[in-house]
Amino acid sequence: AQSVTQLGSHVSVSEGALVLLRCNYSSSVPPYLFWYVQYPNQGLQLLLKYTSAATLVKGINGFEAEFKKSETSFHLTKPSAHMSDAAEYFCAVNQGGTNAGKSTFGDGTTLTVKP
Amino acid sequence: DVKVTQSSRYLVKRTGEKVFLECVQDMDHENMFWYRQDPGLGLRLIYFSYDVKMKEKGDIPEGYSVSREKKERFSLILESASTNQTSMYLCASSLGRYYSPLHFGNGTRLTVT
Repeated sequence: AQSVTQLGSHVSVSEGALVLLRCNYSSSVPPYLFWYVQYPNQGLQLLLKYTSAATLVKGINGFEAEFKKSETSFHLTKPSAHMSDAAEYFCAVNQGGTNAGKSTFGDGTTLTVKP
Repeated sequence: DVKVTQSSRYLVKRTGEKVFLECVQDMDHENMFWYRQDPGLGLRLIYFSYDVKMKEKGDIPEGYSVSREKKERFSLILESASTNQTSMYLCASSLGRYYSPLHFGNGTRLTVT
């Protein structure tokens, strides 16, 4: 079964600094990977998705992620953090086969942006 | 834009009550899901459905049931609410393909007293 591990439950950066949120996956087949963001008292919304078309994926709000098969990683980055980026971020992998479309989520990383 | 609407943002119920959480999506998605979200435990799948009148157990189905009589509506039922079911409940939908992302509602924060 597929799974994802997010390294670091809390990440704190200064405004304008690089954001790096880590996600490693485990999958016996080519995975379909996603990053979601959750703002306080809201549901999750899609930031970006990897579906094998390109290894570097660009998403909304200036975020991007790079799929590295050799490292089984799908880390999320943003060159310059903004105060509005403070939120919780989830990495997820979709399963195939009989569980097609079922997502497994990491435990989440809370991003704090300091002024 | 896909819209997933959960009927209540906040709900307070008493122990032993039967509780219905309603979810409606407007994009003709085949798949619908119920997750609960708790601090330190992430998102855990309760039930999901790939089609009308179909349902599959997720990772934590105990104490819950679901109903999907129409494609756009997926209801989560707590047969006899308990305090350990106090949580944030998130409904989501997706197209019937394994590379499709989930579209979430804003959640229902349920408190059982």
